[in-house]
Amino acid sequence: GAGVSQSPRYKVTKRGQDVALRCDPISGHVSLYWYRQALGQGPEFLTYFNYEAQQDKSGLPNDRFSAERPEGSISTLTIQRTEQRDSAMYRCASSLFDHNEQFFGPGTRLTVL
Amino acid sequence: ILNVEQSPQSLHVQEGDSTNFTCSFPSSNFYALHWYRWETAKSPEALFVMTLNGDEKKKGRISATLNTKEGYSYLYIKGSQPEDSATYLCAASNAGNNRKLIWGLGTSLAVNP
Repeated sequence: GAGVSQSPRYKVTKRGQDVALRCDPISGHVSLYWYRQALGQGPEFLTYFNYEAQQDKSGLPNDRFSAERPEGSISTLTIQRTEQRDSAMYRCASSLFDHNEQFFGPGTRLTVL
Repeated sequence: ILNVEQSPQSLHVQEGDSTNFTCSFPSSNFYALHWYRWETAKSPEALFVMTLNGDEKKKGRISATLNTKEGYSYLYIKGSQPEDSATYLCAASNAGNNRKLIWGLGTSLAVNP
């Protein structure tokens, strides 16, 4: 596709449920990033991949959060046993390599009731 | 820990005014400095990526400079227009920190017609 896409765009779930957020990066981009963004705040780093390798996951808040990119393209961010504090905009970005500009997707707005 | 700071936090200017913002970051092990423009309800869009000390980049009325020795970057907007109203985010990466971007909190610019 022309840009980074994310699905679903909106997700409402009940506390305790698992959710999977998908990111489809720009074709050919080596690096893929996951961020969380609170209302009116800048991006908060969660994790990033070069190809299929997870380079850094230090931003994942706890072990309920995990991410994978098994074939070096599409990535999934999974949140297990969701809590209300997980409610936020989750943004994905990709870049040609990890020192290049990042292109952001539209985000997934997650609401945990 | 890499800490990126931006100032001012917010700025109100009149149409036609020129303005500038500052981004400061630790200078040791510097890797890259990014500037993004972010309009609320949209995704951040890259303005510049700079890596070399003394780099100067320009895009239309917006330009940026980089000083890696002292750890700062300036973003300049010449002749501000209402459409320049947005949050300007700075992010820096460190070669010893898995090269992930650490984001500042942004400078919110409002240009009054």
